[in-house]
Amino acid sequence: GNSVTQMEGPVTLSEEAFLTINCTYTATGYPSLFWYVQYPGEGLQLLLKATKADDKGSNKGFEATYRKETTSFHLEKGSVQVSDSAVYFCALSDPGNTPLVFGKGTRLSVIA
Amino acid sequence: GAVVSQHPSWVICKSGTSVKIECRSLDFQATTMFWYRQFPKQSLMLMATSNEGSKATYEQGVEKDKFLINHASLTLSTLTVTSAHPEDSSFYICNAPGQTYGYTFGSGTRLTVV
Repeated sequence: GNSVTQMEGPVTLSEEAFLTINCTYTATGYPSLFWYVQYPGEGLQLLLKATKADDKGSNKGFEATYRKETTSFHLEKGSVQVSDSAVYFCALSDPGNTPLVFGKGTRLSVIA
Repeated sequence: GAVVSQHPSWVICKSGTSVKIECRSLDFQATTMFWYRQFPKQSLMLMATSNEGSKATYEQGVEKDKFLINHASLTLSTLTVTSAHPEDSSFYICNAPGQTYGYTFGSGTRLTVV
């Protein structure tokens, strides 16, 4: 079945540092790929998504590129802020109304 | 955009009682609703899929008699945790897929069973 593997956390960075959170996936077809963010005590918010190979999703300074050849969707941000501290989940879905499959999540802490 | 309203946002109940969690799609029709459970510092695990007007489909290992799911209308899906025990304490989140707005999550319900 489909699965998502993302780097173990926690990740601690200083403000304005560069962020990379690795995500790779296994899927039988051509899934859509997502990054979700969860702030403490809250639900999930969509950060960005990509629906086909070579698509780049971007939002709030974060970006990720759908790489079919490496089955990856790494999340990057050039300069993190304290307000970016949260848990980040990589996820995929097959076409149609199918449930999301999540990675284990990566906790990011940004210190001033 | 699409909004899924989930209530309650948190609930504390005594062991042995039942708790109902509601998810309402406010400005669209949700023919399907996914229910997830998230334990502290862990990922979201799919519990079941509900479809309007039909029985829910449960994932392996999820007790259907304990977690009752009802999807009686296109705008309301409910999850009832029956005879709750402390090990049922978790964060429960609903999620409605859609073609126009993609996946829309409820804000989650934190259940604590004492």
